[in-house]
Amino acid sequence: KAGVTQTPRYLIKTRGQQVTLSCSPISGHRSVSWYQQTPGQGLQFLFEYFSETQRNKGNFPGRFSGRQFSNSRSEMNVSTLELGDSALYLCASSLQSSTGELFFGEGSRLTVL
Amino acid sequence: KQEVTQIPAALSVPEGENLVLNCSFTDSAIYNLQWFRQDPGKGLTSLLLIQSSQREQTSGRLNASLDKSSGRSTLYIAASQPGDSATYLCAVRLVETSGSRLTFGEGTQLTVNP
Repeated sequence: KAGVTQTPRYLIKTRGQQVTLSCSPISGHRSVSWYQQTPGQGLQFLFEYFSETQRNKGNFPGRFSGRQFSNSRSEMNVSTLELGDSALYLCASSLQSSTGELFFGEGSRLTVL
Repeated sequence: KQEVTQIPAALSVPEGENLVLNCSFTDSAIYNLQWFRQDPGKGLTSLLLIQSSQREQTSGRLNASLDKSSGRSTLYIAASQPGDSATYLCAVRLVETSGSRLTFGEGTQLTVNP
């Protein structure tokens, strides 16, 4: 059974650009959540989607957005990139939204120059 | 606001030693607590999930306990091996009015020396 797949694994952007990251959850999992990991702030929750609906959102500016498709795949988008957006972006999926075990992908490492 | 603290921040032990990692959280109204390990530059690997109604979970050489009333969890690693070297993270799941989110601790960086 394939795990959580994130693409791309690495990318470099410049300030002001935008980026789209993709996440394919484990087959059958309907809940997808996104986290940002930085050395200074640790792991911080971005948002959670369940059955194409955003169920929860973390404390990030509106430049960070996401969506979930009918096949449970999810994308997150960051517009007008800033240097501080450089981070490892991790996607996690679970069978159930509230109580299920979370399984993480390898992450997408974004560097903003 | 839920806060999660992990002690110690770093730990170095000789191979074969038994060790305990600590995690504390401020809000006891949690759904569950999950322990992860993270290798450098990699994603998170789930180790153990403890639901709020449970006291402990075991998987191989790992045992995690949960005391919800005191806001504490411990991860016990028996007979440590160099391959156990990684950062260990605990995360609590606080159910809010819509959905849920994990709140992570800062992690304990473990080094097991051969």
